[in-house]
Amino acid sequence: DTAVSQTPKYLVTQMGNDKSIKCEQNLGHDTMYWYKQDSKKFLKIMFSYNNKELIINETVPNRFSPKSPDKAHLNLHINSLELGDSAVYFCASSQDGWGGVSGANVLTFGAGSRLTVL
Amino acid sequence: QQQVKQSPQSLIVQKGGISIINCAYENTAFDYFPWYQQFPGKGPALLIAIRPDVSEKKEGRFTISFNKSAKQFSLHIMDSQPGDSATYFCAASMDSNYQLIWGAGTKLIIKP
Repeated sequence: DTAVSQTPKYLVTQMGNDKSIKCEQNLGHDTMYWYKQDSKKFLKIMFSYNNKELIINETVPNRFSPKSPDKAHLNLHINSLELGDSAVYFCASSQDGWGGVSGANVLTFGAGSRLTVL
Repeated sequence: QQQVKQSPQSLIVQKGGISIINCAYENTAFDYFPWYQQFPGKGPALLIAIRPDVSEKKEGRFTISFNKSAKQFSLHIMDSQPGDSATYFCAASMDSNYQLIWGAGTKLIIKP
């Protein structure tokens, strides 16, 4: 059973299009994240949700909009795609992401969604 | 002050050798320091982590060394194997704010 699953795994699209990436976790975690990993492998947090509530919203263009219908799902919608959006997008979840008692923020990542904008 | 600086950017080690990756931080409020391992085509996965109340933590061939006064911590991989070839990330966080601050990553290649 996949703990954090993302779809699609690969996405190739034209500039200006709108696309979505879906994420689901079956770990019962309270917090979910979207990360962007560029070609140099740098991991940049984009958003974090705790129990469907947005808690981290880094400096990301407002073309990116996260949606959390319930605490097991966090989707990422991207409008008007640009060349610079090409990257691998990772969804992750954690149990103690915010206010946990153990203080250990252990993230479980999905396998990533590689977005290529042409 | 929120940065975690990781070095080297890439590292090539012979099979059986010791791989060492270093990280440095500024914020003394950080109190949790994990290392994540990422294989090609996969997401990062927690490898080993340490709290600042100990100077070393060992799990199998992987050891974290922590120097609180120098604000540095490092990952040592003993008897490095080709299967250890991956990108390694250090990170830091604090209890008052669980957001992980990530290093830039080190691409490790173990040559047979």
